[in-house]
Amino acid sequence: GIQVEQSPPDLILQEGANSTLRCNFSDSVNNLQWFHQNPWGQLINLFYIPSGTKQNGRLSATTVATERYSLLYISSSQTTDSGVYFCAVERPDNQGGKLIFGQGTELSVKP
Amino acid sequence: DGGITQSPKYLFRKEGQNVTLSCEQNLNHDAMYWYRQDPGQGLRLIYYSQIVNDFQKGDIAEGYSVSREKKESFPLTVTSAQKNPTAFYLCASSRRWSNQPQHFGDGTRLSIL
Repeated sequence: GIQVEQSPPDLILQEGANSTLRCNFSDSVNNLQWFHQNPWGQLINLFYIPSGTKQNGRLSATTVATERYSLLYISSSQTTDSGVYFCAVERPDNQGGKLIFGQGTELSVKP
Repeated sequence: DGGITQSPKYLFRKEGQNVTLSCEQNLNHDAMYWYRQDPGQGLRLIYYSQIVNDFQKGDIAEGYSVSREKKESFPLTVTSAQKNPTAFYLCASSRRWSNQPQHFGDGTRLSIL
């Protein structure tokens, strides 16, 4: 089946620093989403981005579908950005929106 | 506000007991999903439903059952056949069954007594 790999697995930043999280996938995909899971377990949908670039405040994401990767940029990080960031993909031949998740990048932002 | 409500937030199961996790959405979404998350891991799909009165097994359906009698509701039963049920369970929905963003509830933490 399709493989989703995220890097780095862990990241520690000082408040105000910038970071880039990467998601590689092994096959063509229909759908790619980035999620943030906060320390209480809530999973927040950050971007739905099967291709191209999107921005939302201090966060932006780029997916290059032909090269099978996506990047999540966090600028001027804040302590509230801490948590786990997941990338999830949906195969084109899937029946029913079955998302395949990566293992996540755990981000810790220190004050 | 529109959203997905999961209840309870915490649930304890005794040996040999079936328990049911509730998931309700008022987003008018057709598709609903159940995922399981183990510590330090990503999410894995248990069951999904594209439309009322229809559902399919995901990657780890053994020991679980679901129903979809109403568009708004997709309850998950963790049966006694699930030998390792301790996990964080997340319900999601999307407007249609494919190529749509999925939105998640706040989850239910299930533990064994």
